[in-house]
Amino acid sequence: DADVTQTPRNRITKTGKRIMLECSQTKGHDRMYWYRQDPGLGLRLIYYSFDVKDINKGEISDGYSVSRQAQAKFSLSLESAIPNQTALYFCATSSGHRAGYTFGSGTRLTVV
Amino acid sequence: GQQVMQIPQYQHVQEGEDFTTYCNSSTTLSNIQWYKQRPGGHPVFLIQLVKSGEVKKQKRLTFQFGEAKKNSSLHITATQTTDVGTYFCAALFGNEKLTFGTGTRLTIIP
Repeated sequence: DADVTQTPRNRITKTGKRIMLECSQTKGHDRMYWYRQDPGLGLRLIYYSFDVKDINKGEISDGYSVSRQAQAKFSLSLESAIPNQTALYFCATSSGHRAGYTFGSGTRLTVV
Repeated sequence: GQQVMQIPQYQHVQEGEDFTTYCNSSTTLSNIQWYKQRPGGHPVFLIQLVKSGEVKKQKRLTFQFGEAKKNSSLHITATQTTDVGTYFCAALFGNEKLTFGTGTRLTIIP
């Protein structure tokens, strides 16, 4: 099994719909992150969490929300999806701020 | 905001040629990490550099951190088709989360 599992792998949704992307990890790490990847823009941080009771906004949090249900689970929600949220979304985890990140396989989201 | 500039955006090389990608910051970095993302894949951690002037090697890959800790490079010697992908640097500015560069996409001409 993968260390970081994201579901779904692919999703097409309509404008205005609510959608949740899920992430679970078996690394036992406290730190979890959600990134968005767009061509030519690299990876941009949406939200991050350093433990179950900690939630922080990243550089592009508008239009997104998160929930840290347990140490192993960190979900990302789009309350009302819009087409410019079409992107590849990655969840990641790390053991500390000087540790390498372990990424999930990504969720490709298309908003039509 | 804190940014890391990465160049070039694209690089096409003949198999066997060398390849280098560069990351630059206007402010001092706490550390820098490098990741590789294969086509259709996810970023995979390669290495972390922490010390000023640090040089680390992994087989044909050489990673350097500048003396002023404001720039870094990744050099691949004698590229192979398995090197295809996008290489990202990611910097820690002193806060506790990484800022990623925009990546360099490497394609190999056989």
